[in-house]
Formats: sequence, C-alpha cells, structure tokens
Amino acid sequence: SSELTQDPAVSVALGQTVRITCQGDSLRTYYASWYQQKPGQAPVLVIYGKNNRPSGIPDRFSGSSSGNTASLTITGAQAEDEADYYCNSRDSSGNHVVFGGGTKLTVL
Amino acid sequence: QVQLVQSGAEVKKPGASVRVSCKASGYTFISYDINWVRQATGQGLEWMGWMNPNGGDTGYAQKFQGRVTMTRNTFISTVYMELSSLTSEDTAVYFCARGPKSCTGASCYTFDYWGQGTLVTVSS
Repeated sequence: SSELTQDPAVSVALGQTVRITCQGDSLRTYYASWYQQKPGQAPVLVIYGKNNRPSGIPDRFSGSSSGNTASLTITGAQAEDEADYYCNSRDSSGNHVVFGGGTKLTVL
Repeated sequence: QVQLVQSGAEVKKPGASVRVSCKASGYTFISYDINWVRQATGQGLEWMGWMNPNGGDTGYAQKFQGRVTMTRNTFISTVYMELSSLTSEDTAVYFCARGPKSCTGASCYTFDYWGQGTLVTVSS
C-alpha cells in the first residue's frame, strides 16, 4: 500500500473544475509533485512545489496544500486532460520517494 | 533539448537479471540525479531509487534493496539500472526520470524529464 492515498477515479464535465487530492502524513512537511500520464506514454510533470507549473503546462492546472492533503485543480477541464494523475513526495521517513496510487480522470 | 533515451524491450527468464540503460543528452549530465520508476501493466508508478551521476551515490527503495544496482558511465552520459533474481512480478515498464538541478537524494522527487520507458517481460 502507498503512503500517499488518491481516489482511484474522478470525473468532470467538459469545461468544469475538478480537484484531485493526495493524502499522506508526509505532506504535512513536504510538497507534492503532480504528473499526468496518458495511455502508452511516459508521465509528464504538471505541478511542483507550492504551485509551480513547468514551461508548456496550461495555467488551468494549479496546486495547493492543506494539512496532510495536496490538491491538483484543473479549472475548465478539456477533453485532452483525460488521463491518469499521480502525486509523489518523500515518504514519512524522508529517506525515500513515494507515489500515490493514481487517479483516473474522465472528462464527460 | 533535454532527452532521456532508454534501451529496448527485454524478455528474461525467472531468476535472470536485466540491465536497462538511460542515455541523457541536452544538459549537463552530472548536475542532475537520475531516478528509476516502474509500472506494471494497468498499475501505478513505483519508485525504485536514485543515482547521482556526479559521485555515483545511490539510494534504493527498501523493496529493491539487495536486488537493484544503479551505475553510470559519465563518458557517454548513461545511467544503468540492473535488477536481479527476476520473477513474473517484475514484468513492467521501467522509466528513468531526471531530478532537479544540483539536488541529490530522496528530497529531489520532482521529475521533470522522463525516458520513453522500457518493457521488461519475465516469462519462462
């Protein structure tokens, strides 16, 4: 089992806002990074740190954190946002990296 | 442009070892850790460990301790991941991924560039 917990599946209507969450004790200390993965492709970094987007990531993607929960928000979801989303961070010992189990986002 | 290019698919028998390579280009090789992450079919991402190409330091997930070895050849900007005593549970796509600049170890868990993945199939 992962030290970071994500909902297995989330859906959103086209153009609406969706929040994908990641829970874990280590998130009280460390930020989460977020990755988007489409079928047959490598993951792509979409959010890191407090709320930073790599170059080329649309500004509809944003991140936040409160207590033991990190959140990825997509404001105005597009069809191309349909994908699996993973969070990662350090584990509770601080010595290892851990990924959440992933959330499958469906855009209706 | 930054690229991580991995070696091709492998088929191995149970008990064997596999070595996957990750060749970096487009940046200063020794300035960024390389991490390895695997993904079984239909499953999530699983972190295996990191290597600092500068000094050769490594850190492995407890699950793979004693079975995984990460090495590098700085002359050809390539990192290798070798996994031994393979079982069917090791059938997965293996990715290399770059960590942040001048940051080493598990604190550097933001992976900004990924290789294309290498499918390793373990079957008798």
